[in-house]
Amino acid sequence: DAKTTQPTSMDCAEGRAANLPCNHSTISGNEYVYWYRQIHSQGPQYIIHGLKNNETNEMASLIITEDRKSSTLILPHATLRDTAVYYCIVLNAGGTSYGKLTFGQGTILTVHP
Amino acid sequence: EAQVTQNPRYLITVTGKKLTVTCSQNMNHEYMSWYRQDPGLGLRQIYYSMNVEVTDKGDVPEGYKVSRKEKRNFPLILESPSPNQTSLYFCASSGPTSGGYNEQFFGPGTRLTVL
Repeated sequence: DAKTTQPTSMDCAEGRAANLPCNHSTISGNEYVYWYRQIHSQGPQYIIHGLKNNETNEMASLIITEDRKSSTLILPHATLRDTAVYYCIVLNAGGTSYGKLTFGQGTILTVHP
Repeated sequence: EAQVTQNPRYLITVTGKKLTVTCSQNMNHEYMSWYRQDPGLGLRQIYYSMNVEVTDKGDVPEGYKVSRKEKRNFPLILESPSPNQTSLYFCASSGPTSGGYNEQFFGPGTRLTVL
């Protein structure tokens, strides 16, 4: 599975959009980009995933560049409860890595009042 | 409410005393998995199960056993715990109804300390 690079930490003001970047320059054609978050020692929570088209759900939007080498997770109106570690994961939807989530260090997002 | 439950949530034990951490899900998911989380190492997969009676090793299976006799349950067994198994453990499940095996629901975690 492709390696990902994320900033160690980011800050965001409450009510503003939080834009979390992720680089995955070695991503292959059949690999998806998944985002999870973990709020202080709770179980990780699935947020969103995509292959090459932009995706949006009730939690967030995912923007994937045309060359697929990077992506951005957007929380449109961040709240204090969005303070968490955000993980960008790249993996196949099938094959031997199916279901095997590999969490790196992620980005610590702190939302300020 | 759809959920993954783990018991116990906290456990302090001594070296060599066998223990079991239970995991149960009520979403009829085929796939279940155990992870451990350690500072600086992220989450690492211990074992996973694609369905009843089908289990396989993850990245760090040494010292652990699992079983999948029923679809909803996936207990993690430490036959002879050692201090290096002190960690935060998470159980997760997924399946076609969750959108795919990579969209996993995680339990609340079990914090284990082995003295």
